[in-house]
Amino acid sequence: EAGVAQSPRYKIIEKRQSVAFWCNPISGHATLYWYQQILGQGPKLLIQFQNNGVVDDSQLPKDRFSAERLKGVDSTLKIQPAKLEDSAVYLCASSLGGGLFTGELFFGEGSRLTVL
Amino acid sequence: TQLLEQSPQFLSIQEGENLTVYCNSSSVFSSLQWYRQEPGEGPVLLVTVVTGGEVKKLKRLTFQFGDARKDSSLHITAAQPGDTGLYLCAGLNNNDMRFGAGTRLTVKP
Repeated sequence: EAGVAQSPRYKIIEKRQSVAFWCNPISGHATLYWYQQILGQGPKLLIQFQNNGVVDDSQLPKDRFSAERLKGVDSTLKIQPAKLEDSAVYLCASSLGGGLFTGELFFGEGSRLTVL
Repeated sequence: TQLLEQSPQFLSIQEGENLTVYCNSSSVFSSLQWYRQEPGEGPVLLVTVVTGGEVKKLKRLTFQFGDARKDSSLHITAAQPGDTGLYLCAGLNNNDMRFGAGTRLTVKP
């Protein structure tokens, strides 16, 4: 079974530029999450989708971050304009059911963003 | 500030040694999960504990959930270089999951 796919793996941009990350969850997984993991910290939830609806985006900096999950499958996370403090690994995860605790979150390898 | 405090932050040991890492909080969780993350990869679930006082064993790894469901520990017996990685705990409450900052373990051959 294919895992969670993310791209690009690495991205280097200058501040004030824009960037987009793409995630393809495990087939059949209804819930999709985007996490931000800054070096030395644990993952922080940015947004959670169930199918194509947003369940939780309370920690998403909406002035510069946006995310969508069209058709309830793939998702994109966009940052515009980027700031230095956005340098981090952006992790996508998916799970089977409608809530966070249905067992296991399956994570992708992450997209490492460096903002210069 | 982290809702979940993990200690130690870094741990470097020799192969064959035993170790314990901790995950503490002032909050009560309905369940707690432990993940291991290797460099360049996403976290992978090791275990979920649900009941206060629960102990789960996974080969050389022993996980314990505190009686009050506020803390947890992970004990590794006879550590191997393959155990090297970032160990993250994640507490779940009211559909809100929060991760600790992790313990970075290095096991030297």
